[in-house]
Amino acid sequence: KNEVEQSPQNLTAQEGEFITINCSYSVGISALHWLQQHPGGGIVSLFMLSSGKKKHGRLIATINIQEKHSSLHITASHPRDSAVYICAPWRAGSYQLTFGKGTKLSVIP
Amino acid sequence: SAVISQKPSRDICQRGTSLTIQCQVDSQVTMMFWYRQQPGQSLTLIATANQGSEATYESGFVIDKFPISRPNLTFSTLTVSNMSPEDSSIYLCSGGDAGELFFGEGSRLTVL
Repeated sequence: KNEVEQSPQNLTAQEGEFITINCSYSVGISALHWLQQHPGGGIVSLFMLSSGKKKHGRLIATINIQEKHSSLHITASHPRDSAVYICAPWRAGSYQLTFGKGTKLSVIP
Repeated sequence: SAVISQKPSRDICQRGTSLTIQCQVDSQVTMMFWYRQQPGQSLTLIATANQGSEATYESGFVIDKFPISRPNLTFSTLTVSNMSPEDSSIYLCSGGDAGELFFGEGSRLTVL
């Protein structure tokens, strides 16, 4: 079993839809990153969470440490949100990230 | 926040040659890492770049194949040596401190 499981693997949405991407992990963590990877390969860290919920614009990330689960939500999705979203737990006591396989999101106008 | 610049952004190389990728951070960071992302795969950590000492490599990666330098707290290089088509990947640099991590734009390498 992978240490990090993301779902869905692929997601196609109509512009304006509410999007949810889920991440479950089995390792003990100190924090968790949600990353956005553009088609060219570059990565941007959207959020780093250690508890609760964070919001940035149309993006919301939540984490439940006890249940080892995190979600990324996108409200009013837009074609420019099309990218791969990667969940990356930060192992407790380490600077190393463990990466999920990513969710490929396509938002259609 | 920190901005990380990687060079080259992409390159096409011949089998058997070596390529050095540079990673420049616009501020000092404690930790720097190099990752590889093979086509269709998730990111894999190659090594932790240690300032002033040898890099710490993950299982499956060796210094002879992926020599890494880190002369100071803002700069690191990764060399992919004696390349083969299997080395065609995106190579990513990241750096950070105290829980914050920033990523470069990646270097897309194609080996013919």
